[in-house]
Amino acid sequence: QQQVKQSPQSLIVQKGGISIINCAYENTAFDYFPWYQQFPGKGPALLIAIRPDVSEKKEGRFTISFNKSAKQFSLHIMDSQPGDSATYFCAASRGNNAGNMLTFGGGTRLMVKP
Amino acid sequence: KAGVTQTPRYLIKTRGQQVTLSCSPISGHRSVSWYQQTPGQGLQFLFEYFSETQRNKGNFPGRFSGRQFSNSRSEMNVSTLELGDSALYLCASKKFVGGTNEKLFFGSGTQLSVL
Repeated sequence: QQQVKQSPQSLIVQKGGISIINCAYENTAFDYFPWYQQFPGKGPALLIAIRPDVSEKKEGRFTISFNKSAKQFSLHIMDSQPGDSATYFCAASRGNNAGNMLTFGGGTRLMVKP
Repeated sequence: KAGVTQTPRYLIKTRGQQVTLSCSPISGHRSVSWYQQTPGQGLQFLFEYFSETQRNKGNFPGRFSGRQFSNSRSEMNVSTLELGDSALYLCASKKFVGGTNEKLFFGSGTQLSVL
Protein backbone atom coordinates (compact mmCIF):
# COMPACT_ATOMS: atom_id res chain seq x y z
CA GLN A 1 0.00 0.00 0.00
CA GLN A 2 1.59 3.22 -1.20
CA GLN A 3 0.65 5.90 1.27
CA VAL A 4 2.51 8.72 -0.47
CA LYS A 5 2.15 9.06 -4.23
CA GLN A 6 4.60 11.25 -6.13
CA SER A 7 4.46 12.64 -9.65
CA PRO A 8 5.91 12.96 -12.18
CA GLN A 9 8.45 10.14 -12.21
CA SER A 10 10.78 12.22 -14.34
CA LEU A 11 10.98 15.88 -15.27
CA ILE A 12 13.06 17.87 -17.73
CA VAL A 13 13.28 21.62 -17.22
CA GLN A 14 15.31 24.31 -18.93
CA LYS A 15 17.80 26.31 -16.91
CA GLY A 16 16.02 29.19 -15.23
CA GLY A 17 12.64 27.49 -15.35
CA ILE A 18 10.38 26.32 -12.53
CA SER A 19 10.39 22.67 -11.50
CA ILE A 20 7.21 21.41 -9.84
CA ILE A 21 6.87 18.03 -8.14
CA ASN A 22 3.63 16.90 -6.55
CA CYS A 23 2.79 14.47 -3.77
CA ALA A 24 -0.46 13.17 -2.35
CA TYR A 25 -0.90 11.29 0.90
CA GLU A 26 -3.63 9.11 2.35
CA ASN A 27 -2.96 8.96 6.07
CA THR A 28 -4.47 12.03 7.76
CA ALA A 29 -2.35 11.32 10.83
CA PHE A 30 0.77 12.44 8.96
CA ASP A 31 1.98 15.74 10.39
CA TYR A 32 5.47 16.25 9.03
CA PHE A 33 6.27 16.50 5.33
CA PRO A 34 9.94 16.74 4.26
CA TRP A 35 11.49 16.80 0.84
CA TYR A 36 14.81 15.06 0.18
CA GLN A 37 17.32 15.47 -2.63
CA GLN A 38 19.51 12.58 -3.68
CA PHE A 39 22.50 12.65 -6.00
CA PRO A 40 23.91 9.45 -7.54
CA GLY A 41 26.05 7.54 -5.09
CA LYS A 42 24.86 9.58 -2.12
CA GLY A 43 22.19 9.24 0.49
CA PRO A 44 19.15 11.55 0.54
CA ALA A 45 19.67 14.99 2.04
CA LEU A 46 16.91 17.06 3.62
CA LEU A 47 15.97 20.08 1.49
CA ILE A 48 12.98 21.60 3.21
CA ALA A 49 10.12 20.43 5.40
CA ILE A 50 6.66 21.65 6.41
CA ARG A 51 4.09 20.99 9.10
CA PRO A 52 0.34 21.09 8.25
CA ASP A 53 -0.32 24.23 10.26
CA VAL A 54 1.14 26.36 7.45
CA SER A 55 0.23 26.41 3.74
CA GLU A 56 3.58 27.45 2.36
CA LYS A 57 7.24 27.48 3.34
CA LYS A 58 10.06 29.03 1.37
CA GLU A 59 13.81 28.53 1.70
CA GLY A 60 15.85 30.20 -1.00
CA ARG A 61 14.77 28.86 -4.39
CA PHE A 62 12.79 26.01 -2.81
CA THR A 63 9.12 26.35 -1.78
CA ILE A 64 6.71 23.80 -0.34
CA SER A 65 3.01 24.39 -0.92
CA PHE A 66 0.69 22.41 1.33
CA ASN A 67 -3.06 21.76 0.87
CA LYS A 68 -4.37 19.96 3.94
CA SER A 69 -7.94 19.52 2.67
CA ALA A 70 -6.74 17.94 -0.57
CA LYS A 71 -4.02 15.97 1.22
CA GLN A 72 -1.47 17.22 -1.28
CA PHE A 73 1.83 19.02 -1.13
CA SER A 74 4.28 20.12 -3.75
CA LEU A 75 7.85 21.29 -4.20
CA HIS A 76 8.62 24.26 -6.42
CA ILE A 77 12.19 24.92 -7.49
CA MET A 78 12.51 28.43 -8.85
CA ASP A 79 15.25 29.43 -11.30
CA SER A 80 16.21 25.78 -11.74
CA GLN A 81 19.92 25.17 -12.30
CA PRO A 82 21.85 22.22 -13.82
CA GLY A 83 23.22 21.56 -10.32
CA ASP A 84 19.65 20.83 -9.20
CA SER A 85 19.62 17.73 -11.41
CA ALA A 86 18.97 14.93 -8.93
CA THR A 87 16.24 12.64 -7.66
CA TYR A 88 13.73 14.25 -5.32
CA PHE A 89 11.66 12.41 -2.75
CA CYS A 90 8.71 13.64 -0.77
CA ALA A 91 8.04 11.94 2.53
CA ALA A 92 5.68 11.99 5.47
CA SER A 93 5.70 10.90 9.07
CA ARG A 94 3.37 11.16 12.02
CA GLY A 95 3.74 12.22 15.59
CA ASN A 96 6.69 12.21 17.91
CA ASN A 97 6.39 8.49 18.52
CA ALA A 98 7.04 7.79 14.86
CA GLY A 99 10.61 8.93 15.34
CA ASN A 100 12.43 8.56 12.08
CA MET A 101 9.81 6.36 10.43
CA LEU A 102 9.37 8.20 7.15
CA THR A 103 7.07 7.04 4.37
CA PHE A 104 8.59 8.09 1.06
CA GLY A 105 7.07 8.83 -2.32
CA GLY A 106 8.43 7.01 -5.34
CA GLY A 107 10.83 9.77 -6.37
CA THR A 108 11.16 12.21 -9.27
CA ARG A 109 14.25 12.30 -11.43
CA LEU A 110 14.84 15.93 -12.36
CA MET A 111 17.09 16.98 -15.22
CA VAL A 112 17.79 20.67 -15.73
CA LYS A 113 19.11 21.38 -19.20
CA PRO A 114 21.69 24.19 -19.59
CA LYS B 1 32.05 17.22 11.68
CA ALA B 2 31.97 13.73 10.19
CA GLY B 3 28.73 12.55 8.63
CA VAL B 4 27.00 9.20 8.95
CA THR B 5 29.51 6.52 8.03
CA GLN B 6 28.43 3.21 6.55
CA THR B 7 30.67 0.24 5.89
CA PRO B 8 31.28 -1.52 3.65
CA ARG B 9 30.35 0.59 0.63
CA TYR B 10 29.76 -2.43 -1.59
CA LEU B 11 29.02 -6.07 -0.85
CA ILE B 12 28.48 -9.08 -3.05
CA LYS B 13 26.92 -12.17 -1.52
CA THR B 14 25.26 -15.32 -2.76
CA ARG B 15 21.79 -16.60 -1.98
CA GLY B 16 21.48 -18.25 1.42
CA GLN B 17 24.37 -16.38 2.98
CA GLN B 18 24.03 -13.80 5.71
CA VAL B 19 25.39 -10.27 5.82
CA THR B 20 26.10 -7.62 8.45
CA LEU B 21 26.17 -3.93 7.63
CA SER B 22 27.61 -1.28 9.92
CA CYS B 23 26.64 2.31 10.63
CA SER B 24 28.37 4.97 12.72
CA PRO B 25 26.06 7.93 13.37
CA ILE B 26 27.12 11.53 13.61
CA SER B 27 28.83 12.21 16.92
CA GLY B 28 26.22 13.04 19.53
CA HIS B 29 23.36 11.47 17.60
CA ARG B 30 21.61 8.75 19.56
CA SER B 31 18.87 7.75 17.16
CA VAL B 32 19.68 5.49 14.20
CA SER B 33 17.30 4.21 11.55
CA TRP B 34 17.74 1.99 8.52
CA TYR B 35 16.10 2.16 5.11
CA GLN B 36 16.15 -0.09 2.07
CA GLN B 37 16.23 1.56 -1.36
CA THR B 38 15.41 -0.38 -4.53
CA PRO B 39 14.36 0.80 -8.00
CA GLY B 40 11.07 -1.08 -7.72
CA GLN B 41 9.98 -0.38 -4.13
CA GLY B 42 11.77 2.92 -3.55
CA LEU B 43 12.78 3.90 -0.02
CA GLN B 44 11.31 1.73 2.70
CA PHE B 45 11.76 1.99 6.46
CA LEU B 46 13.37 -1.02 8.09
CA PHE B 47 13.79 -0.15 11.78
CA GLU B 48 14.85 2.50 14.25
CA TYR B 49 16.98 2.32 17.37
CA PHE B 50 17.45 4.66 20.27
CA SER B 51 19.50 3.92 23.38
CA GLU B 52 20.07 0.34 22.22
CA THR B 53 16.31 -0.30 21.98
CA GLN B 54 14.32 -0.89 18.82
CA ARG B 55 11.53 1.67 18.77
CA ASN B 56 9.90 1.03 15.42
CA LYS B 57 10.01 -1.70 12.81
CA GLY B 58 8.90 -1.63 9.20
CA ASN B 59 7.12 -4.34 7.27
CA PHE B 60 10.07 -6.64 6.59
CA PRO B 61 10.49 -10.36 7.36
CA GLY B 62 12.29 -11.55 10.46
CA ARG B 63 15.40 -12.26 8.37
CA PHE B 64 16.12 -8.55 8.76
CA SER B 65 17.38 -7.62 12.20
CA GLY B 66 19.44 -4.94 13.80
CA ARG B 67 21.00 -3.75 16.98
CA GLN B 68 22.52 -0.66 18.50
CA PHE B 69 25.51 -0.48 20.78
CA SER B 70 26.12 1.75 23.78
CA ASN B 71 28.18 4.14 21.62
CA SER B 72 25.14 4.53 19.29
CA ARG B 73 26.80 2.61 16.47
CA SER B 74 24.39 0.25 14.77
CA GLU B 75 24.48 -2.91 12.74
CA MET B 76 21.87 -4.59 10.63
CA ASN B 77 21.88 -8.23 9.69
CA VAL B 78 20.14 -10.05 6.88
CA SER B 79 20.09 -13.82 7.11
CA THR B 80 19.35 -16.36 4.40
CA LEU B 81 19.81 -13.81 1.63
CA GLU B 82 17.42 -13.78 -1.32
CA LEU B 83 17.90 -12.22 -4.75
CA GLY B 84 15.29 -9.62 -3.85
CA ASP B 85 17.43 -8.37 -0.99
CA SER B 86 19.73 -6.68 -3.50
CA ALA B 87 19.43 -3.02 -2.64
CA LEU B 88 21.07 0.09 -1.30
CA TYR B 89 20.82 0.01 2.49
CA LEU B 90 20.82 3.46 4.02
CA CYS B 91 21.46 4.39 7.61
CA ALA B 92 20.26 7.69 9.04
CA SER B 93 20.84 9.39 12.36
CA LYS B 94 19.46 12.27 14.34
CA LYS B 95 20.12 13.77 17.72
CA PHE B 96 16.98 12.81 19.62
CA VAL B 97 14.18 10.38 19.13
CA GLY B 98 10.81 11.95 18.46
CA GLY B 99 10.57 15.66 17.81
CA THR B 100 10.03 15.30 14.11
CA ASN B 101 11.52 18.70 13.44
CA GLU B 102 14.90 17.17 14.09
CA LYS B 103 16.93 16.89 10.92
CA LEU B 104 17.60 13.35 9.74
CA PHE B 105 21.05 12.78 8.20
CA PHE B 106 21.62 9.89 5.81
CA GLY B 107 24.82 8.05 5.05
CA SER B 108 25.84 7.14 1.50
CA GLY B 109 24.66 3.58 1.98
CA THR B 110 25.90 0.05 1.45
CA GLN B 111 25.13 -1.39 -1.98
CA LEU B 112 24.34 -5.08 -1.51
CA SER B 113 24.22 -7.39 -4.50
CA VAL B 114 22.91 -10.92 -4.02
CA LEU B 115 23.88 -13.40 -6.75
